[in-house]
Amino acid sequence: DIQMTQSPSSLSASVGDRIILTCQASQDVRKFVNWYQQKPGKAPKLLFSDASNLETGVPSRFNGSGSGTRFAFTITSLQPEDVATYYCQQFYDLPYTFGQGSRLEIK
Amino acid sequence: QVQLVESGGGLVKPGGSLRLSCEASGFTFSDHYMSWIRQTPGKGLEWLSYISSSGTTYYTRSLRGRITVTRDNAEKSVSLQINNLRADDTGVYYCARSGLQYLGQLTAWGLGTLVTVSS
Repeated sequence: DIQMTQSPSSLSASVGDRIILTCQASQDVRKFVNWYQQKPGKAPKLLFSDASNLETGVPSRFNGSGSGTRFAFTITSLQPEDVATYYCQQFYDLPYTFGQGSRLEIK
Repeated sequence: QVQLVESGGGLVKPGGSLRLSCEASGFTFSDHYMSWIRQTPGKGLEWLSYISSSGTTYYTRSLRGRITVTRDNAEKSVSLQINNLRADDTGVYYCARSGLQYLGQLTAWGLGTLVTVSS
């Protein structure tokens, strides 16, 4: 199975900060990575597909990039409503697998 | 709007079985693959299974033989049967809809149903 490793596992930052979360795949997954946001007590929500395609309605302060084995998720200016856990997921090969998550908090 | 509502979770003893259901609304159900994903304390998010519009299924290797997924396009529902439940099956079980372009894009999720396996 393809392992997806996210870092950091948790992060505390201030409103307005630029945040970068990373995801590394154990093998080449080309561009087939999604990013999800899960707020406390809620289901995950798809933010990005194909590593960098922003889903409709997702704020433009979110950005995704990468290909191959290294991927990044950026928030250009952190907002209070961005408190959540963010997950990457590869859909290059079955079984599709998720990272362990990066938990984001506000200082 | 798109809605997925899971039901059927609860407390079950080790070795027991559960049948989880997911009712869909707000989209053309028969156009989409549907999946079951669970979130457990031990493994985090884990993709368990998908079922195609016509009923072709995939099961993750670790659960093959213990789970069965079916769908009813007329009723807009999908079900997950889990047998021989173990403590490490405890978690929240979500159904999710795949996007039309890629099976692997989970474009809508239900709120989940909690399964607790304990004696």
